[in-house]
Amino acid sequence: QVLLVQSGAEVKKPGASVKVSCKTSGYTFYKYGITWVRQVPGQGLEWMGWIRGSNSHTRYAQKFQGRVTLTTNTSATSASTVYMELRNLRSDDTAVYYCAREYCSSVSCYADVLDIWGQGTMLTVSS
Amino acid sequence: EIVLTQSPATLSASPGERATLSCRASQTISNNLAWYQQKPGQAPRLLIYGASTRATGIPDRFGGSASGTEFTLTISSLQSEDFAFYYCQQYSDWPTFGPGTKVDIK
Repeated sequence: QVLLVQSGAEVKKPGASVKVSCKTSGYTFYKYGITWVRQVPGQGLEWMGWIRGSNSHTRYAQKFQGRVTLTTNTSATSASTVYMELRNLRSDDTAVYYCAREYCSSVSCYADVLDIWGQGTMLTVSS
Repeated sequence: EIVLTQSPATLSASPGERATLSCRASQTISNNLAWYQQKPGQAPRLLIYGASTRATGIPDRFGGSASGTEFTLTISSLQSEDFAFYYCQQYSDWPTFGPGTKVDIK
């Protein structure tokens, strides 16, 4: 069973940094990319960035360039984990943050079509 | 940035009825459009990609179509579990999502 399990809720002060983890299991990690999406409570979805599982190549939305970093930690003996670090936090960064795996059909993979999602991590930024 | 506009904002319907949701792109995106369903407190669920291809395990009452920059998600006969938010997403350029349509019970 393919699973993405995220770390727990965070409360941070403005100007601080946060690092959210997304532990993957049940599939061959290097064959798929992972995307991060956030959702302000009661609002829509916002694409943040993507990291390729095979070589950690990254793409970031222009809005988050310079503030977000995606990394991976692959272990031969345990699940592979993707991390999303967001720096210089502001109150409008308060949102639920999701990691999601790209979709692969029997024919092709689609980097920006999101199939398996983590459960979400609530980040609250408040002084 | 490609902007997606969804309509209506809220669709009220009864179980068994047909629901038609629209998504308009601000520029040509070919068929690089996906639809997601989201229920309160849950992560989104992929329904459709390539404008009209159902993802694995999605019931055939969900259908997608495209005409130019206009995209449609049709739910042929609403089931109780279909009352939720629906988002379109384009992946022709840097991915963006529409603001969503809420399908609620009339």
